[in-house]
Amino acid sequence: DAKTTQPPSMDCAEGRAANLPCNHSTISGNEYVYWYRQIHSQGPQYIIHGLKNNETNEMASLIITEDRKSSTLILPHATLRDTAVYYCIVRVAGTYKYIFGTGTRLKVLA
Amino acid sequence: DVKVTQSSRYLVKRTGEKVFLECVQDMDHENMFWYRQDPGLGLRLIYFSYDVKMKEKGDIPEGYSVSREKKERFSLILESASTNQTSMYLCASSLGQGTRNQPQHFGDGTRLSIL
Repeated sequence: DAKTTQPPSMDCAEGRAANLPCNHSTISGNEYVYWYRQIHSQGPQYIIHGLKNNETNEMASLIITEDRKSSTLILPHATLRDTAVYYCIVRVAGTYKYIFGTGTRLKVLA
Repeated sequence: DVKVTQSSRYLVKRTGEKVFLECVQDMDHENMFWYRQDPGLGLRLIYFSYDVKMKEKGDIPEGYSVSREKKERFSLILESASTNQTSMYLCASSLGQGTRNQPQHFGDGTRLSIL
């Protein structure tokens, strides 16, 4: 099963772009990458997902490297409300199963 | 927006009690999931259901059962609660077969304490 590796914590200044990296070097060709975030005492919130092309929605952009071994979630203008734990997840191919890692704790600083 | 609603945010029960955790989704999703989240262990899948009356075990089904009598509702049952089942329980739902790449959407969780 593909696993993900993320830095345990990051800081970002309010108003700046937050770039959160994720390594998934064992990902297989048909496994998607998903990003969620979790604010204390709430459930994980879906942000974005992708297979091999870059994706953008109203919350964030997802950049996946050409070899698909890593990806970066970009929050273009971070606000204090973006302070959360961010999870990069790979879904096990052929199943509905997510593999959650320990995530990156992002702190946005005023 | 997808709405996944869990019946209680906080629940306190006693050892040996039978505990029911309820989850309802309003998006006509075929798949529903129950996870528990513990510090240092992340989210672990307990059970999931891909259709009414259908269920499959996840990674840690021992001590739990589930019920899905209607498409929108998925219940997690602790047959005889024990202190090691104190945890945050999360329900999720997603679109069904043929759409496995669709994301799961989570409720806000039930923080269950077993005394």
